[in-house]
This record gives sequence, structure tokens and C-alpha cells, in this order.
Amino acid sequence: QKEVEQDPGPLSVPEGAIVSLNCTYSNSAFQYFMWYRQYSRKGPELLMYTYSSGNKEDGRFTAQVDKSSKYISLFIRDSQPSDSATYLCAMAKNAGNMLTFGGGTRLMVKP
Amino acid sequence: GAVVSQHPSWVICKSGTSVKIECRSLDFQATTMFWYRQFPKQSLMLMATSNEGSKATYEQGVEKDKFLINHASLTLSTLTVTSAHPEDSSFYICSAPTSGKRETQYFGPGTRLLVL
Repeated sequence: QKEVEQDPGPLSVPEGAIVSLNCTYSNSAFQYFMWYRQYSRKGPELLMYTYSSGNKEDGRFTAQVDKSSKYISLFIRDSQPSDSATYLCAMAKNAGNMLTFGGGTRLMVKP
Repeated sequence: GAVVSQHPSWVICKSGTSVKIECRSLDFQATTMFWYRQFPKQSLMLMATSNEGSKATYEQGVEKDKFLINHASLTLSTLTVTSAHPEDSSFYICSAPTSGKRETQYFGPGTRLLVL
């Protein structure tokens, strides 16, 4: 069993839809949770960063962490075609430690 | 956010040659950098942790004699793929945590290596 599980998709939605991306994990030691966006043939770009449980909002993006369920989510409101990319969740146990990545979910937002 | 650059962005080489990839932190110092490889439609796989002033730490299954890492300064780490073979063709990405928020990492744009 992988430490971090993520549905690979692809997830196809119409423009303007609300997108929900999720990851589950098995190691309760994870405390730092990140979401990265990766366009084709590019390096990952940090989107959201959350420490411990709770919600964090940044523009159209909302990250949720539920440590009791070992479940994290990224919501994208009013999705745009430019949001089409692969979204990777990542987690770390301690500050500065290596990240453990999910497999990535490919999102396609159709105009 | 912090900026990490990589050079070259892509390289094509013949089997048996060595290829050096540079990773630079442009606006911050990084005592630690990470090297990943990514195959098509797959997630990032950590290869090694590059430490300034000391030896790199390699993940299980990664040949340290094949993937040489040198962390020459607080802003530069290099990965040399020695005697490259077609199976080494991949997307190589480096990352560095900033000193202010060590738990987050900023990634370089990646280097696409094709070994013929």
C-alpha cells in the first residue's frame, strides 16, 4: 500500500465547475500538506500549503486537511481551462523533510 | 515564491556519455536540495538529497556511482548522469526548501534527458 493515494483521473469538467481533488494517506506522522500544480513538461508549482488540520483559502483555491480521517482535499471554484494540469498532493513529517507525493490527478477543464 | 532554475532544460545524448544537470536557487540559499525523476504520466520519485558541504543521501535503489551529486555552494547543486543509457531517459527535477519555510519546496522547471 502506498503511503499517499491519489486518484490518477483524468478528471474532465466543464468550465466554471467546482473541482474536488483528494488524497488519502496512511502515516499519521504527516503534519505538512501541500498541493502542487504541474503543467505538461514543466516543474511542479506550489499552490497551497497547510500545516495540520483545517482549511485554507487562496482565491479560487481551498485546501482542507482532516487528520482524523487522513484525508486532504483541494477545491477549485469557477474552474478555467488554464487550470488544466496535473495536481499533486504532497506531505512531510517535519519541516524541511523530503516530501511524499501522491501519484497526481490529471484535470481537464473544457471550455 | 522562491525561484529555482535548472540547466539545461533539455538534452539529447548518445549512450555511454555523461550528462551534467545544474540546479540553482536564484534568490535564496539552500543547504539542502532534492533531486527527483519523473517518468511520463507518473509522479515524482525522490532520487537523492543533496547536502551542501557533505555527501548526498541516496534513496534505496538509486546507484550513487551512476548519479553523481555535488552540492558545490549554497545556491548550486549538480546531478551528473554517468555513462547514460536509454533507460535513463526521463524528466529530472530538482527542488529546494527556503530557509524561511523549510517545509515547503520550490521546484525547478525540470530537465528532459533523452539518451539515444
